[in-house]
Amino acid sequence: DAGITQSPRHKVTETGTPVTLRCHQTENHRYMYWYRQDPGHGLRLIHYSYGVKDTDKGEVSDGYSVSRSKTEDFLLTLESATSSQTSVYFCAIKGSLEEKLFFGSGTQLSVL
Amino acid sequence: GIQVEQSPPDLILQEGANSTLRCNFSDSVNNLQWFHQNPWGQLINLFYIPSGTKQNGRLSATTVATERYSLLYISSSQTTDSGVYFCAVDVQGAQKLVFGQGTRLTINP
Repeated sequence: DAGITQSPRHKVTETGTPVTLRCHQTENHRYMYWYRQDPGHGLRLIHYSYGVKDTDKGEVSDGYSVSRSKTEDFLLTLESATSSQTSVYFCAIKGSLEEKLFFGSGTQLSVL
Repeated sequence: GIQVEQSPPDLILQEGANSTLRCNFSDSVNNLQWFHQNPWGQLINLFYIPSGTKQNGRLSATTVATERYSLLYISSSQTTDSGVYFCAVDVQGAQKLVFGQGTRLTINP
């Protein structure tokens, strides 16, 4: 299994609070991704990183920010959580453009 | 952006049956992958297959890039094959995989 750890695994928070999800990898892979999964929408890309301090937006980036200060860590921040951000969040890593994508176990986030 | 369509959306089979899942995409791609999400939510990478055919045990996949589709074959299905199967593609020049909506496969004993 690819060495990817997501934390926390579950979180319940209130509307308007900031939330940070962490993805940690031990594979030294260049590319890291945050996806969200919702019923009826499949997996949608939020943000991704192609190196330390190099990030770009995905298709559903509004309300989210990311940071990557080290190769192994990719943080996803919900600046002011809303109920529409209740979802399962997956982190993924890839070594190069043409390699397999590997997923973490996911974080179930509930915004009340 | 690129469109990824999977069919059928749902498939219910008896143990031992064979199945074929299809993924159509709307543009040229340089990366196509198949994933299985088990009933516990874990996403497992099955194949990296931008073109050609690969086999892994009872599973095989074929991508015909010129015709913009890929097929995932599951032979002699087992209950552990149940879950959702996703294909994902990466447009040439991009660095991000776009996922289809998935095919939910249920294998009954």
